[in-house]
Amino acid sequence: DAGVTQSPTHLIKTRGQQVTLRCSPKSGHDTVSWYQQALGQGPQFIFQYYEEEERQRGNFPDRFSGHQFPNYSSELNVNALLLGDSALYLCASSLDGGATDTQYFGPGTRLTVL
Amino acid sequence: QKEVEQNSGPLSVPEGAIASLNCTYSDRGSQSFFWYRQYSGKSPELIMFIYSNGDKEDGRFTAQLNKASQYVSLLIRDSQPSDSATYLCAVSRGSSASKIIFGSGTRLSIRP
Repeated sequence: DAGVTQSPTHLIKTRGQQVTLRCSPKSGHDTVSWYQQALGQGPQFIFQYYEEEERQRGNFPDRFSGHQFPNYSSELNVNALLLGDSALYLCASSLDGGATDTQYFGPGTRLTVL
Repeated sequence: QKEVEQNSGPLSVPEGAIASLNCTYSDRGSQSFFWYRQYSGKSPELIMFIYSNGDKEDGRFTAQLNKASQYVSLLIRDSQPSDSATYLCAVSRGSSASKIIFGSGTRLSIRP
């Protein structure tokens, strides 16, 4: 049973560049949520995708956008990168309408912006 | 006021003792409560979830929920060095569309 996978593992970019992060949900899950975790902080909710649409969004600027594909995988795009975007980006998957709303995390992508 | 508050620690507990981690939350509409464990440089790993007031036990872990006091706790019995990690408390409104709100985590250190 494949868990949540994310790619790449690490990424280094410079200010102003754009980045795309990828996530494949756990087998059987259809909902993907993205989180940003700065050093020493808890994960902060960016947005959630279900049925290829953004269902909920946290307090992040429009530079952060996403997409979900028919196979439930998802991308997170960040434009005009700032130094403050350096963080661990986590993808979590869940099953809509499942018995619980538990979310399971992937290994994360460590983004460094120079 | 933060939506989910935890003592950042570090909390130092001798091996074999009980570690007690606490969390308070502000949204009275919260219905689901989670404890995640996060080792340094790794992603959060779900330990337990609890929905009803009272205690829920799973092996060495016990989660306790008091919705009236807006308080959640995690007890770890017979603490092991491998329990040394950051423990994240998280809450949601309980639907599959709900976002999960995390606390900043408590660093737990188990000393041999």
